Amino acid sequence: GAGVSQSPSNKVTEKGKDVELRCDPISGHTALYWYRQRLGQGLEFLIYFQGNSAPDKSGLPSDRFSAERTGESVSTLTIQRTQQEDSAVYLCASSLEGVWSYGYTFGSGTRLTVV
Amino acid sequence: DQQVKQNSPSLSVQEGRISILNCDYTNSMFDYFLWYKKYPAEGPTFLISISSIKDKNEDGRFTVFLNKSAKHLSLHIVPSQPGDSAVYFCAASSKVSNTGKLIFGQGTTLQVKP
Repeated sequence: GAGVSQSPSNKVTEKGKDVELRCDPISGHTALYWYRQRLGQGLEFLIYFQGNSAPDKSGLPSDRFSAERTGESVSTLTIQRTQQEDSAVYLCASSLEGVWSYGYTFGSGTRLTVV
Repeated sequence: DQQVKQNSPSLSVQEGRISILNCDYTNSMFDYFLWYKKYPAEGPTFLISISSIKDKNEDGRFTVFLNKSAKHLSLHIVPSQPGDSAVYFCAASSKVSNTGKLIFGQGTTLQVKP
């Protein structure tokens, strides 16, 4: 596609429920990243995919968070047993390789609200 | 441990004047720096970058300066335009990590008044 697409754009869920957030990267982009932005804060790295493997998942906050990527394309971020502190905007980004020449392209994000 | 810091949460300038946004970092392994711009309800968009082998990079109205000894970088926008009003994030990366992972500052909200 022309850009990075994320769905849903907004999600309200009850505490304790599981949620799945989807990211469709730019076609051909091998690198894919998930970040989150809590209110009033900067972007916080969660996980990096190169192809379908995740060599760096150091930013995942707890074992309630997991992510996968298939077909070197779509990625899903799953949060189990959501807590109120999980409320944030979750951003996905993709690039051909790293950020060395032109940064990466972000999607518009999924705003997750846990009530 | 905040490795990248933007100490000014907000900045207001008059249209046509210069905007200077500042960023400090603590990790000497960082060797690539980027600025992103973010409008409400949109994802950040890449603006300009600089490698640690340079001390200046210019692109139109935007110039980034890097002072490695002070671990400080700044973004200059001149002349500032109302459309530049947005949140600006600086970010840093280390090529050694080979992942492209970025560490972001907290952001500075720029308001350019007509």
